Amino acid sequence: TQLLEQSPQFLSIQEGENLTVYCNSSSVFSSLQWYRQEPGEGPVLLVTVVTGGEVKKLKRLTFQFGDARKDSSLHITAAQPGDTGLYLCAGGGDSGYALNFGKGTSLLVTP
Amino acid sequence: DTAVSQTPKYLVTQMGNDKSIKCEQNLGHDTMYWYKQDSKKFLKIMFSYNNKELIINETVPNRFSPKSPDKAHLNLHINSLELGDSAVYFCASSQGFTALGGEAFFGQGTRLTVV
Repeated sequence: TQLLEQSPQFLSIQEGENLTVYCNSSSVFSSLQWYRQEPGEGPVLLVTVVTGGEVKKLKRLTFQFGDARKDSSLHITAAQPGDTGLYLCAGGGDSGYALNFGKGTSLLVTP
Repeated sequence: DTAVSQTPKYLVTQMGNDKSIKCEQNLGHDTMYWYKQDSKKFLKIMFSYNNKELIINETVPNRFSPKSPDKAHLNLHINSLELGDSAVYFCASSQGFTALGGEAFFGQGTRLTVV
């Protein structure tokens, strides 16, 4: 099974701080995705990274795919309370069909 | 318009009962999934259907039986419910397989509580 390890598991910071969330695996992925899940809702896709070394920016969020395509990171600059949520990384599963998800990073940003 | 809709949103039932969760997507996607999210927020694939055909059946007890009457619907029937089945169940859909980079669209989830 292609396991995705996320760290940290929990993160509580104040508005305006920067943070980085990591997603690591011993497996190579053709692509990795990041989702955000808010309480009572389903996950929503933030970004898909497909090329080793790729960097994608989404406003204050910066996503990076490792050169070897085994890991990824999500960096948030000047976090805001609206960034609060569960951040999930996901990659192609062993079956080649559905996504395997990491265990998530629960982020709380307080004013 | 809701893209992926599940009903019911909450389900409380006694051990041993049989229950169903319904899912419909209006995105025209050809692939649908059921995921289970446990109390620690871990999201695990249960089933995947492509064009109404079962593609993935992870190690799920055979008390769980998915049914796809057409490409827009994927229902989940659970027999003889157990306490350990309590979780949030998410339906999702995609065009093509998500493992190949396609975006998964999730429903709002069904919180199942077995008492």
